[in-house]
Amino acid sequence: QLQLQESGSGLVKPSQTLSLTCAVSGGSISSGAYSWSWLRQPPGKGLEQIGYFYNGDSTYYNPSLKSRVTISIDRSKNQLSLNLSSVTAADTAVYYCARGTGAPYGEDAFDIWGPGTMVTVSS
Amino acid sequence: EIVLTQSPATLSVSPGERATLSCRASQSISTNLAWYQQKHGQAPRLLIYGASTKATGIPARFSGSGSGAQFTLTISSLQSEDFAVYYCQQYNNWPFTFGPGTTVDIK
Repeated sequence: QLQLQESGSGLVKPSQTLSLTCAVSGGSISSGAYSWSWLRQPPGKGLEQIGYFYNGDSTYYNPSLKSRVTISIDRSKNQLSLNLSSVTAADTAVYYCARGTGAPYGEDAFDIWGPGTMVTVSS
Repeated sequence: EIVLTQSPATLSVSPGERATLSCRASQSISTNLAWYQQKHGQAPRLLIYGASTKATGIPARFSGSGSGAQFTLTISSLQSEDFAVYYCQQYNNWPFTFGPGTTVDIK
């Protein structure tokens, strides 16, 4: 059964870069035409999709974050990565990785989620 | 960006009763809508996608309906494990967006 696990720095200073990885186990990140997403949820608030990687060669970023975000896949390590630069307190959130159900073009709901990792931006 | 509005914000229901949750989109999204359940401290769980298709392992008491801009999630007979926050999500137009959530709590 496919499982996802986020990891990375739990405390990031303002203006620095947040870096997270999502390890995929029980399956290959390269198999099938699935989308692989990063989402986040500030404490007590709703969900926001940061962006997604689809079908091996396409990356889509939320316009609200596009200038600061990089999402990539490392097939040799079977993992997804997120870098978010120039962070502020507003980037404090639980960060999730998730897999899409397999719909065309990655226009998709998310059927498998990691447990999430809390990232706090503070000096 | 498509805005999703969920109502009510909070729904107080007794166990065994029916719960009806609504999600309205700011423009038509066909049937590209999903529903998730989230319990405190956990990741969201996919319940419904394509507006009405149940995800794997989802109990029959959950059902979704609607198309265009108006959608409904119905829980036919609430069980104790169903008290949670429910989010709708549209994936018709990028960026894909979520509603603010409906909290279903015990009456």
